[in-house]
Amino acid sequence: DAMVIQNPRYQVTQFGKPVTLSCSQTLNHNVMYWYQQKSSQAPKLLFHYYDKDFNNEADTPDNFQSRRPNTSFCFLDIRSPGLGDAAMYLCATSRPTGGIETQYFGPGTRLLVL
Amino acid sequence: AQKVTQAQTEISVVEKEDVTLDCVYETRDTTYYLFWYKQPPSGELVFLIRRNSFDEQNEISGRYSWNFQKSTSSFNFTITASQVVDSAVYFCALSGSRLTFGEGTQLTVNP
Repeated sequence: DAMVIQNPRYQVTQFGKPVTLSCSQTLNHNVMYWYQQKSSQAPKLLFHYYDKDFNNEADTPDNFQSRRPNTSFCFLDIRSPGLGDAAMYLCATSRPTGGIETQYFGPGTRLLVL
Repeated sequence: AQKVTQAQTEISVVEKEDVTLDCVYETRDTTYYLFWYKQPPSGELVFLIRRNSFDEQNEISGRYSWNFQKSTSSFNFTITASQVVDSAVYFCALSGSRLTFGEGTQLTVNP
């Protein structure tokens, strides 16, 4: 089945230790998104790639970076995680067609910062 | 600016009850899309439905139904004969330059 895959599902890191979360997709979608979701809140968009074009949200901290080496993969790098970065990180993909777009989400990675 | 309001933070029902989740939105766009997503405890956001602003027909899919009323800017979601497996957080969302989510409604279905 075509899908959005996120690894790992759970990630524990130490305060200040860089961590990378990964997302892959078999949907051949050209847009990939990273969201941060804290407990009892709606997902918050961090950035997205439209093909190779990177689009950063204005309020995304500089601590967060992303890479998209090819259509299928996208990575979220947190350079120096703080306790406030503990959250669920959701990857989503879409293929806008004629102005119509539906985002499909992966299972998420829960990040714990010790 | 776009906004989605889900006034019900939490709803608790007993199995087999019908339950309606409310969603009210604000947008200046004339063409837009509305979505509902389900987020079970596992965390994945599961796409349920997309509705475009020109299509006000209600939709039914099994036990799920959606009522879109442009006049009141509402896109409500009803689960008929609820089941324990329906327990999740449900998000209503609105398309635009960004997908705008409501704050979600936590639905608990008790046996």
